[in-house]
Amino acid sequence: RKEVEQDPGPFNVPEGATVAFNCTYSNSASQSFFWYRQDCRKEPKLLMSVYSSGNEDGRFTAQLNRASQYISLLIRDSKLSDSATYLCVVNQPLYNAGNMLTFGGGTRLMVKP
Amino acid sequence: DAGVIQSPRHEVTEMGQEVTLRCKPISGHDYLFWYRQTMMRGLELLIYFNNNVPIDDSGMPEDRFSAKMPNASFSTLKIQPSEPRDSAVYFCASSFLATSETQYFGPGTRLLVL
Repeated sequence: RKEVEQDPGPFNVPEGATVAFNCTYSNSASQSFFWYRQDCRKEPKLLMSVYSSGNEDGRFTAQLNRASQYISLLIRDSKLSDSATYLCVVNQPLYNAGNMLTFGGGTRLMVKP
Repeated sequence: DAGVIQSPRHEVTEMGQEVTLRCKPISGHDYLFWYRQTMMRGLELLIYFNNNVPIDDSGMPEDRFSAKMPNASFSTLKIQPSEPRDSAVYFCASSFLATSETQYFGPGTRLLVL
């Protein structure tokens, strides 16, 4: 089983739609959670952190359910420029070297006119 | 700030050849990470350094891969000999802390081994 699992998609949505991505993680000792965005043929970049109480950043809302080991990202009023791959990222402890970020395989979003 | 710098941006080589990828982290960052990304396996951590010292290389696929960080501003990832299955995008990233959510990635090196 992968440590961080995501539906690879693609999710094809029209402009203005609301779309949600989900992610599950296997290590219950994981401490921090994030969403990164990766544009085609570019490097990943931090989109937002995910807090236990849920958090918003403009049109983006992130939620965390520690009991279910589940993370979500909601995008409202989607724009063409939101087309990208969204990577779920988990900071989890390692037995010998502190903590480390582990990336999910990514969910691809395509927003169409 | 110039960000994380990687070279070359593209590399095409033949099976059996040595490949050396280079990375310059952001000045002042004390952690450096090497990742490999493929369609099949996604983004995988290969190795990371703290203050130029390799901390965890458990992600390095096999002995053909080696990484060094001779100083705070330079790191290399070497593949010798290269094989077609090594074809991937190799990213270098740096951060202030290993636990920092903000790992700054370089633009990557696209490697194709024929």
